Amino acid sequence: SQKIEQNSEALNIQEGKTATLTCNYTNYSPAYLQWYRQDPGRGPVFLLLIRENEKEKRKERLKVTFDTTLKQSLFHITASQPADSATYLCALPGGLVFGKGTRLSVIA
Amino acid sequence: GAGVSQSPSNKVTEKGKDVELRCDPISGHTALYWYRQSLGQGLEFLIYFQGNSAPDKSGLPSDRFSAERTGGSVSTLTIQRTQQEDSAVYLCASSPGGGTSLGDYYNEQFFGPGTRLTVL
Repeated sequence: SQKIEQNSEALNIQEGKTATLTCNYTNYSPAYLQWYRQDPGRGPVFLLLIRENEKEKRKERLKVTFDTTLKQSLFHITASQPADSATYLCALPGGLVFGKGTRLSVIA
Repeated sequence: GAGVSQSPSNKVTEKGKDVELRCDPISGHTALYWYRQSLGQGLEFLIYFQGNSAPDKSGLPSDRFSAERTGGSVSTLTIQRTQQEDSAVYLCASSPGGGTSLGDYYNEQFFGPGTRLTVL
C-alpha cells in the first residue's frame, strides 16, 4: 500500500536558521506532493504543491524540492521565525495519505 | 468568503451511543473528505465524495461508521455504538475537485476546524 513517512517527529532550530523537513514515500509514483501546516487545535492549511516535473518550488521563505528518483520531498523554511513553529505535513495526491507530520519549534 | 465549517466543535458521548458530525464545505467545491486525527497522530483518511460519483469508503474503520452527502453539499458522518477508541478529532475538508480519478487533479484541500469527539 502507499506509504508516506516524515523522518522526524520533532525538530528544534534557532531563529534565523533554515529548517529542513523530509518526506519519503513508497509504493507510489505521485504526480505531485502537497505540504500543509497545522497549528494546535486547528485543521491543516495548504502551503505548497510541487509536481513531478518540477524540481523546486518557492513561496516567500518556503522552498520545496521533489526528487522522484529518491522518492523524496524536502521542505525548507529559510530565516525561520518563532511564528513558523507548527506541525508540517506532507501528502500524496488527493490527500488521501498524509504523513504523521514534523513538529517544528523555532527558538528565539 | 466562508470556509469549511463543522459542528459541533466538541462532542462528549457515552460508550454505545450514536453520534452525528456535520460538515459544511465551501460552496461550489465538488470534493469532500473526512479524516480523523488521534492525539499525536497523523490524519487518517475515512471517506471521500466527488460530485455524484460513488464515495470512496475504503478508509472507514468498521461498519459502525457511515457518511452521506446530501445534494452535493453538506455531509454527515455517523458513528454508531461509539467505542472509546473512536475518541479523536474528526476533520472535514473540501476541494474544488475535478475528474473522477482520485490522483488526477491538482487541488488543495481546505480543512474545517474539526470536531473533537470524546467517548466516555
